Amino acid sequence: DQQVKQNSPSLSVQEGRISILNCDYTNSMFDYFLWYKKYPAEGPTFLISISSIKDKNEDGRFTVFLNKSAKHLSLHIVPSQPGDSAVYFCAASALDNFNKFYFGSGTKLNVKP
Amino acid sequence: KAGVTQTPRYLIKTRGQQVTLSCSPISGHRSVSWYQQTPGQGLQFLFEYFSETQRNKGNFPGRFSGRQFSNSRSEMNVSTLELGDSALYLCASSSDRRGYTFGSGTRLTVV
Repeated sequence: DQQVKQNSPSLSVQEGRISILNCDYTNSMFDYFLWYKKYPAEGPTFLISISSIKDKNEDGRFTVFLNKSAKHLSLHIVPSQPGDSAVYFCAASALDNFNKFYFGSGTKLNVKP
Repeated sequence: KAGVTQTPRYLIKTRGQQVTLSCSPISGHRSVSWYQQTPGQGLQFLFEYFSETQRNKGNFPGRFSGRQFSNSRSEMNVSTLELGDSALYLCASSSDRRGYTFGSGTRLTVV
């Protein structure tokens, strides 16, 4: 059961423009969400998180938005840089099992110079 | 502070064999989780160990097992390997905070 979905396998963006990566979830018990970035031959690295008590969290060029009613979150990268080219995974967990994360299938972002 | 260390980085095995993968978490982290990554499937949760006890388990067959030692190091074992077990196996450790630090993974190829 795919409780976290990333419906866009890939995204191509021009350098300097905004990248928007989307993620949908089905479990209303999820209350904590993470985004990870993954380069080839490396493990995923933590990017940004958001708790369900918030609808936005910002860290430098990265902003995550959470729409609980739509069970949707998105990651905005502004401005996009070629070094941002990687696979991005969203993940979610529920408070009653807070360290079991469900991951989406990933979106491969390509930022063109 | 050393990160999460997984060994070996690459492994080639034959169908029917078994394999053991190792993970050393960040010092002080007591929780170790294992994930399988295959193309198009994202990261699939295998299991989580905390203080030498399996705390969570994913939907994988019993051929997949793990354990954790008193120093928090963890091993994952896959018996009777199948071609479909070819994947990147990722280990992640965490402290009390939610979220993981991942290792670089072990790339397993079953031929």
